[in-house]
Order: sequence, then C-alpha cells, then structure tokens
Amino acid sequence: KNQVEQSPQSLIILEGKNCTLQCNYTVSPFSNLRWYKQDTGRGPVSLTIMTFSENTKSNGRYTATLDADTKQSSLHITASQLSDSASYICVAHGYGNKLVFGAGTILRVKS
Amino acid sequence: NAGVTQTPKFRILKIGQSMTLQCTQDMNHNYMYWYRQDPGMGLKLIYYSVGAGITDKGEVPNGYNVSRSTTEDFPLRLELAAPSQTSVYFCASSLLVNQPQHFGDGTRLSIL
Repeated sequence: KNQVEQSPQSLIILEGKNCTLQCNYTVSPFSNLRWYKQDTGRGPVSLTIMTFSENTKSNGRYTATLDADTKQSSLHITASQLSDSASYICVAHGYGNKLVFGAGTILRVKS
Repeated sequence: NAGVTQTPKFRILKIGQSMTLQCTQDMNHNYMYWYRQDPGMGLKLIYYSVGAGITDKGEVPNGYNVSRSTTEDFPLRLELAAPSQTSVYFCASSLLVNQPQHFGDGTRLSIL
C-alpha cells in the first residue's frame, strides 16, 4: 500500500534551535519527494522537491535530504524562528498524478 | 500575484443541499487539482484536470463533480451534501505534473 509516515506528530522547540523532521514512504514507482509548509488557515506552500537521484536540497534555512534506497527523507530547520511554526507535510510522488501526502508534523517554535 | 483563488472561504450547508466551490488560477497552469483535508489525515485527491476539457477521478471522487471549460477555472460541485463531506477543500495547480503544486487557501465546509 502506498503510504507516507511522518514523525514526530508534533514538536515544540525554542526559538533559535535546530530541528529535524522525518518522513518514511512506501510509494512505488517513485518519481520525487516534496516538502510543503502549511501555516494555520492557509494552503500548503512548496519548500523543496527532490528526484530519486538527488540527496539533498536547500531552501534558505530549510534543508531536505533523501535516501531513495531506504525510502526516507528528512527536513532540517536551522536557527528556527517564530514564523516557522506550521505544519510540515511530506509528499511522495509516484506515477502520473499519484501524490501521497503524509499527515504532517506540527511544529511550534516558542520564544 | 493572485496565484490560486478559492471562493467561498467558509460555508455551512444543510444535508441534501448542493453547492459549487470555485477555483481560478492566473498562472496559465495546465494541471489543476481538488483535494480534501480532514483532521489528522493527509490530503486526498478528489479530481484533477490535465487541461481544458479533460478531467479525471482521484482517490475519493464519490459525491463530487468537476468541469474544466477554461484553463483558468476548475469548479467543484457537491450534489446532495452529506455530513461526511465536512472538510477543508483545497484547489491546486501546476504547470507540469512533476513540478510543485500551488495551493489556494482553502474552503472550510461544514454540513449539518
């Protein structure tokens, strides 16, 4: 069954600290892995997209990694800010229009 | 930059009523999508379109209909609303299937 599992479900960190969010997927065939940020009451916004041949991709303080062999991805946030408080969604793109969305990790950054 | 615009933002329906959720994009994207997001769950694809005049079912199409008469607009129709259709609905678009999707800010729909 095509699935995307994210951990942890929620996370609280202090402003300025780093954190890493995890994503395991079982989508096959596999085309690319995406990370989105969803602020409360808003639609998801794309952070990164990586094909199976890419190991890492950065977008400012956000760095995503991908291990296509173990079907794992991570999103590392450096020097967190209050505005990083959001839900982070991992999405595995399979064949054609088949995108499988994880349930998200809710991150709260507190001062 | 408007991007993807969804209307209305909120709506309450009675069981059995019908309504149309509007979605328009100004990026000249070929692909458009409708998703629903339920609490604690990942987004589920309802319908998608690869261009004007072409639509296809996603993972959870029952109870919904769509049309794509223009590149810009992709309305979602609910017929005979049921409580199970209470959800947040997101419209998205992309230029190509393997490129990031751009999402609207959603329509929060309650059916009582």
